[in-house]
Amino acid sequence: GAGVSQSPRYKVAKRGQDVALRCDPISGHVSLFWYQQALGQGPEFLTYFQNEAQLDKSGLPSDRFFAERPEGSVSTLKIQRTQQEDSAVYLCASSLPMGYEQYFGPGTRLTVT
Amino acid sequence: ILNVEQSPQSLHVQEGDSTNFTCSFPSSNFYALHWYRWETAKSPEALFVMTLNGDEKKKGRISATLNTKEGYSYLYIKGSQPEDSATYLCAFIRALYSGGGADGLTFGKGTHLIIQP
Repeated sequence: GAGVSQSPRYKVAKRGQDVALRCDPISGHVSLFWYQQALGQGPEFLTYFQNEAQLDKSGLPSDRFFAERPEGSVSTLKIQRTQQEDSAVYLCASSLPMGYEQYFGPGTRLTVT
Repeated sequence: ILNVEQSPQSLHVQEGDSTNFTCSFPSSNFYALHWYRWETAKSPEALFVMTLNGDEKKKGRISATLNTKEGYSYLYIKGSQPEDSATYLCAFIRALYSGGGADGLTFGKGTHLIIQP
């Protein structure tokens, strides 16, 4: 069966541009997570959805970051007015209800120039 | 801010040797601990989900133990092989009392394991 997919795999954005990163979770997984992984660090939690409800967005670093999952499946992470410090790998993961193992996508590597 | 620490940060091991490394996490409000293996250019892959104090889990040559009272977990690799080279991440999930449920994962920075032939 298909795993978690993310697109694009690589994105180069000029400072100030808006970007949208897409995540297709495993079918039937109710939980979806976004993480940001800076160079040399472990993934850091950004936000979590259960179906279409965003239950926790405490990890979003600023109000330039926005995530949605309107129909409880595909999710989009949007970053407005990108800054250089936004350069990172953005990982998406899905799971059965919270606490079960998470299945990760390959990530989107964002480089802001 | 939850403190999840892994040690050592990196580790070089001769092929055939056994090794282990540590994850420490808050000992209160425990919900679950996950271990993931992350190979370069691939997605993190779940190794173990551990929920009970005293849990021991095994997958092939890799095993893990859990002590929730003192807040640590060990990952062991027996007879290391080159394909074990990866970053091993642990992730802590905190229980939330209000309304039940749990928090998102808090990851450690990982242990980068290199197996030398």
